[in-house]
Amino acid sequence: DGGITQSPKYLFRKEGQNVTLSCEQNLNHDAMYWYRQDPGQGLRLIYYSQIVNDFQKGDIAEGYSVSREKKESFPLTVTSAQKNPTAFYLCASTPSGLGQTQHFGDGTRLSIL
Amino acid sequence: GEDVEQSLFLSVREGDSSVINCTYTDSSSTYLYWYKQEPGAGLQLLTYIFSNMDMKQDQRLTVLLNKKDKHLSLRIADTQTGDSAIYFCAESDDYKLSFGAGTTVTVRA
Repeated sequence: DGGITQSPKYLFRKEGQNVTLSCEQNLNHDAMYWYRQDPGQGLRLIYYSQIVNDFQKGDIAEGYSVSREKKESFPLTVTSAQKNPTAFYLCASTPSGLGQTQHFGDGTRLSIL
Repeated sequence: GEDVEQSLFLSVREGDSSVINCTYTDSSSTYLYWYKQEPGAGLQLLTYIFSNMDMKQDQRLTVLLNKKDKHLSLRIADTQTGDSAIYFCAESDDYKLSFGAGTTVTVRA
């Protein structure tokens, strides 16, 4: 079945360490998104990509980086510059363009050791 | 970014109707969405409404849109225990969505 796969489901980071969260989709969607979810704050957009080899910063991009080398993959790196990385991270994709509904993965929960 | 506001909690008795309210600020939003999130999972699209519509019904779900007041509501008829979840309202903004903080719905027997 088509869908979005995020891995791992749980991830632990040591102080000063970079970690990479995986997001893969087989829906043939052009656009992909990364959100951060904190309790009581809803979803905040980190980065998004409308097409391969192109991506834009969202509202809270500082301390994060992404790449979009393949259409189906949009990994997110949480760098050591992100001082408060503990959160639930959600990846989404949409076919393209305005008004297309976003499909979500099941999320990765990142915690600090 | 645009602000989308929702009340944080709703408690409802099983079998009653639930009404979740949302206000948004971007009058140019083309689509408005309702998503459902169960514990530890991603968001599942429940329904959406085009901005030139006033109402949309889909089985137990009814969406009402008051564009003048920028108010969106989701009514769930005959609420069941499986409806317990967080419900997010979202508005479209070019290629992005702006989400509210989510309303946690608790269904009691």
